[in-house]
Amino acid sequence: DVQMTQSPSTLSASVGDRVTITCRASQTISYWLAWYQQKPGRAPKLLVYKSSSLQGGVPSRFSGSGSGTEFTLTISSLQPDDFATYYCQQYDSYPYTFGQGTKLDIK
Amino acid sequence: HLVQSGGEVKKPGASLRVSCTTSGYTFTDYHITWVRQAPGQGLEWMGRVGGLSVDRKYSQKFQGRVSMTTDTSTNTAYMDLRSLTSDDTAVYYCARGGRGSLDPWGQGTLVTVSS
Repeated sequence: DVQMTQSPSTLSASVGDRVTITCRASQTISYWLAWYQQKPGRAPKLLVYKSSSLQGGVPSRFSGSGSGTEFTLTISSLQPDDFATYYCQQYDSYPYTFGQGTKLDIK
Repeated sequence: HLVQSGGEVKKPGASLRVSCTTSGYTFTDYHITWVRQAPGQGLEWMGRVGGLSVDRKYSQKFQGRVSMTTDTSTNTAYMDLRSLTSDDTAVYYCARGGRGSLDPWGQGTLVTVSS
């Protein structure tokens, strides 16, 4: 199975900050990577697919990049609604594994 | 739009069926994927099934214990899990998609396994 490792596990930041979350794959997955946002008690929401394609309706302050084994999700200017947990997921090979999550909380 | 069945409490050794009723798109054009999340934990991919129920892929972890099917007459997907243990206590999600990213997701079904 492809292991997905996110860093950091927890990130404290303030409204207006620029933040970056990293996701590393244990083997190359080309650009077959998605990012999800999950708030407490809610289902995950797709933000980015194919490493850098923004899902419709997602604010442009979110962006994704990377290929191969290293990927990043960047939020250019944090808004109050962005405090949540973020997961990456590879869909290059089965089983389609997720990272362990990065909890973004208010500093 | 994906709407899941309600929460359940099961005893160890029992079986579980969760349904996922879809609307707003052509059901047979997409796979449905099942993902679960244990309390306070991350997301775990369980498997996916094609809209016509013939294209299935399961995580090795659940092989032999899980079955994913669909009913095209009601645009509903089902996930059956047998021989439940306390480790199966989780929120179970369905999501549209099977060979790529997942969107949208159902609201989740909380399953508690307890004696």
